[in-house]
Amino acid sequence: SAVISQKPSRDICQRGTSLTIQCQVDSQVTMMFWYRQQPGQSLTLIATANQGSEATYESGFVIDKFPISRPNLTFSTLTVSNMSPEDSSIYLCSVTEISRYEQYFGPGTRLTVT
Amino acid sequence: GQNIDQPTEMTATEGAIVQINCTYQTSGFNGLFWYQQHAGEAPTFLSYNVLDGLEEKGRFSSFLSRSKGYSYLLLKELQMKDSASYLCAVKYYGQNFVFGPGTRLSVLP
Repeated sequence: SAVISQKPSRDICQRGTSLTIQCQVDSQVTMMFWYRQQPGQSLTLIATANQGSEATYESGFVIDKFPISRPNLTFSTLTVSNMSPEDSSIYLCSVTEISRYEQYFGPGTRLTVT
Repeated sequence: GQNIDQPTEMTATEGAIVQINCTYQTSGFNGLFWYQQHAGEAPTFLSYNVLDGLEEKGRFSSFLSRSKGYSYLLLKELQMKDSASYLCAVKYYGQNFVFGPGTRLSVLP
């Protein structure tokens, strides 16, 4: 399966600031996704990162708060904007490989907003 | 919506067998996936079912009944390292994955 890396692995940020999380895959993949996982909870899909076009957001998530880029087939970024303590969570990148159905996850970014 | 139900917590003994159930809404079903997630780590893919029946992978097996909207993950010869959360996820046509709430499994010595 694809090897996925995320940067940073964790960060502590102040309220009102923004953080950009990077996701890099070692091979070309068809789909890239961004999830949020709050403590003790399951995964919630934020958006699908589309190559060269605007991301597709799930209900409850908007581009102004979570802008996403995907300039090529192996790289994507998620920005958490104007952060508040409620944004404290783990943010996970996942991918689907060509001709496969399952998703593989990156190691995650643990964000704490103070 | 596509509600997915799993038991919240389960406990079993080392060496035993445990079955973790998952129920889901059948309309638009296009595949079911099981993931394992250890505390503080990312989910790892375990199995994929799209047709009825049992898929076996070593100590882990996954079963699907599409007509009943039901799946289970069977873990045999439990080991302490199997203590983790197990997530059921369903793919619906025209939509992305929907993850269940997860089942936290504790394996006791």
